Formats: sequence, structure tokens, C-alpha cells
Amino acid sequence: DTAVSQTPKYLVTQMGNDKSIKCEQNLGHDTMYWYKQDSKKFLKIMFSYNNKELIINETVPNRFSPKSPDKAHLNLHINSLELGDSAVYFCASSSTSGSDTQYFGPGTRLTVL
Amino acid sequence: QKEVEQNSGPLSVPEGAIASLNCTYSDRVSQSFFWYRQYSGKSPELIMSIYSNGDKEDGRFTAQLNKASQYVSLLIRDSQPSDSATYLCAAFRLYSGGGADGLTFGKGTHLIIQP
Repeated sequence: DTAVSQTPKYLVTQMGNDKSIKCEQNLGHDTMYWYKQDSKKFLKIMFSYNNKELIINETVPNRFSPKSPDKAHLNLHINSLELGDSAVYFCASSSTSGSDTQYFGPGTRLTVL
Repeated sequence: QKEVEQNSGPLSVPEGAIASLNCTYSDRVSQSFFWYRQYSGKSPELIMSIYSNGDKEDGRFTAQLNKASQYVSLLIRDSQPSDSATYLCAAFRLYSGGGADGLTFGKGTHLIIQP
């Protein structure tokens, strides 16, 4: 009965590769998010989706592209990976347009070599 | 610029004492505030949410909000070693156009409860 799930949990890859991280929520929420937590543990919003529409797009490189096939899924695709992309990526979801509590997935630890 | 500030700590508190965590925010339009707890290697989990000025209590936890001072705090009574974690303060703002923003997090306070 996992609420927000992410795959994979760990991802190790070489610079220049393209990779995707998947996120699914079974809470019936209509807004989903991607956050990045860097090596200093600072958690920062990257994207959010509401009813399959991108609402915000923080100043992240355009190598990062969120894709939402339906309300329950929000995947993150990253092109041409760089060393600085190494971090933990968290998916989250909430009801309404985000004023309610956000529930976080377990995180995906991305290591770029 | 939206900012949430927290003292990074570590904050060391004896077991059974009250732990007091503080947070300030710069965006006056922020509407709701959250305290998340994060254990090492785990995802953030919600401890408390608060939307109105004043105190909100839930078990051993009390959140306090003062919008005039742009200040949020979390008190943990009867601190237990299991409370040792990083505590993240977050602010949320709903855009007037109906869009939404994500949470703006502080950098977290590392709390250590000494047995």
C-alpha cells in the first residue's frame, strides 16, 4: 500500500548518458512534484504537475524534462548527465494545488561518474 | 527571493527536555508552513502543518506561527533519542493566478537527543 513510489532507488551512470526516474502515487492526488536534494542536504523544488499540466518550472537546465502520462505518474528524464547532477531526487504529491500536505517518495540516489 | 532560514545546528538536547527549533521566512505571501523530519538516508516525513497565527499542538509536538514576525517554530516535549534527525521547515505559497508553487525548504536543523 505504498503511497508514493519511485524507481529505481539507486542509479549509477556515466557522464553524457540519458536516464529516467519513474514516480507513481496511489493517493488520488492531482499535483505531483520533483525535488532535488544535493550533497549538503538542501532540498529544492524542480517541477510540479497539476492535472498533467506543468505549473512551475524552476530554473533547472533544460536537460531535465518531466513527463506525466497520467495523473498518478510523473517521470523525470535527464539528458546528457553531468557530474553536478549527482543528488537524491524525491518525488512528492499533494491534493488541491499544493496547499495541502505533500507526501514524499523514498528517493532515487543518482550518481554520475 | 523566497527564502526559508534555519540554524543548521547541531542542536543537542538532553533526553526528556524540550527541543526548540526555529525558522524564519522572507516571503510575506507564504500561506502555509510545514515541519518535516528527515532521518539520514530517508525521505522527509511530515510532522506538523500550520496555517494560522498561534500554536498548534499534536502529541509531543507544538508548532507556532507568527506571520507578523515571519517566524515559525517547533517544540518537541519529552525529547526521545528517536527524535534525533534533521528537521526541515518549509513554506508554501499559492500563486494568485491559480497556479501552484512547490515548497520552499530551509536547509534543516540537525537535532541530537542525548540519552
